[in-house]
Amino acid sequence: DSGVTQTPKHLITATGQRVTLRCSPRSGDLSVYWYQQSLDQGLQFLIQYYNGEERAKGNILERFSAQQFPDLHSELNLSSLELGDSALYFCASSVGNSGSYNEQFFGPGTRLTVL
Amino acid sequence: QKEVEQDPGPLSVPEGAIVSLNCTYSNSAFQYFMWYRQYSRKGPELLMYTYSSGNKEDGRFTAQVDKSSKYISLFIRDSQPSDSATYLCAMGGGSYIPTFGRGTSLIVHP
Repeated sequence: DSGVTQTPKHLITATGQRVTLRCSPRSGDLSVYWYQQSLDQGLQFLIQYYNGEERAKGNILERFSAQQFPDLHSELNLSSLELGDSALYFCASSVGNSGSYNEQFFGPGTRLTVL
Repeated sequence: QKEVEQDPGPLSVPEGAIVSLNCTYSNSAFQYFMWYRQYSRKGPELLMYTYSSGNKEDGRFTAQVDKSSKYISLFIRDSQPSDSATYLCAMGGGSYIPTFGRGTSLIVHP
């Protein structure tokens, strides 16, 4: 158990809908990262928050947004869902920023299926 | 060309075999290199981390980095069925977020 929790474990929804994925980082970790993992693309970085502020953006679609709350938990919002958004979404946390190496601890993931 | 290339496999080996997993990369700025193991329906977990060229050993696992060739490897000695998983290489440096390879699926059969 990495100490990172994600809810829900599974999510099945329809195209055009909006969902929210939730992540609680390890105790003491200030950074939260969101990743999307699909069979054809592998693990793709979406966005990073550090202590409530956005720090880095990857290949995140405009339909997706995230935030980190004062208690450091984070939510990833996916809207106007398309079939191609079906994937595993992972949250990871680390102690610090990514300026130097900080080991990332991954949660168990949320499996999103868009029908 | 992707920044990190990794053969997705699957790689199937008999128990006890030596396994070699590899990644190539194109970004010379990468300074640290990692291997993650991901079991089915689980999140990736860090297996090995190294910051320099050369070898690093941890039990049955050896990570090897060749910065001049932009090539990293993970060797698993005396492979076990419990090693069956997907192995992802990852690398980063400076302000870079780690970049992950697609992962190689390893199957160790008894």
